[in-house]
Amino acid sequence: GNSVTQMEGPVTLSEEAFLTINCTYTATGYPSLFWYVQYPGEGLQLLLKATKADDKGSNKGFEATYRKETTSFHLEKGSVQVSDSAVYFCALTAHNTNAGKSTFGDGTTLTVKP
Amino acid sequence: NAGVTQTPKFQVLKTGQSMTLQCAQDMNHEYMSWYRQDPGMGLRLIHYSVGAGITDQGEVPNGYNVSRSTTEDFPLRLLSAAPSQTSVYFCASSSPGQGWNEQFFGPGTRLTVL
Repeated sequence: GNSVTQMEGPVTLSEEAFLTINCTYTATGYPSLFWYVQYPGEGLQLLLKATKADDKGSNKGFEATYRKETTSFHLEKGSVQVSDSAVYFCALTAHNTNAGKSTFGDGTTLTVKP
Repeated sequence: NAGVTQTPKFQVLKTGQSMTLQCAQDMNHEYMSWYRQDPGMGLRLIHYSVGAGITDQGEVPNGYNVSRSTTEDFPLRLLSAAPSQTSVYFCASSSPGQGWNEQFFGPGTRLTVL
């Protein structure tokens, strides 16, 4: 079956530090890959996505590249802000009979201190 | 568009009680899902639906029932609540027409079973 493994947290950084959250996946076929963000007390919302190998998703200064050869989709940001404090989820969705079902990682909690 | 709405936001039940968590979406999405979120365990799929009249079990379906009589609504029923069902429940919807099946999440229902 499909699975997503992401870097364990929590992660604590100072403002303007560089962020990397690792994510690797196992899937049959060629899934779409996503990073979702969850702010305190809210539901998940899409941060960025990539639908095929070598695609780079980007949004709000965050980036992730779909690496088929290493089955990875690591999240990066060059300079984090206090407002980036949240829980980040890596996820995949298959493009076959399981379409519509997403598989999520366990989430990584990021805290950014001023 | 209101997107995905869930009611109630908070609920406290006693062991053995039953209740229904409501979920509705106004985006005409074919796919709808229910997830539960527990600390350190990410999101786990309970049930999902690929269209009106069609539902299937996810990873953790025991103790929950669903039905999908319309495209818009996807209620989740707890038959006889147990303390192990204390969790935050998220409803999500997506559309295969988008090609990548990004999930749109509701704000969640925080359920406590005493």
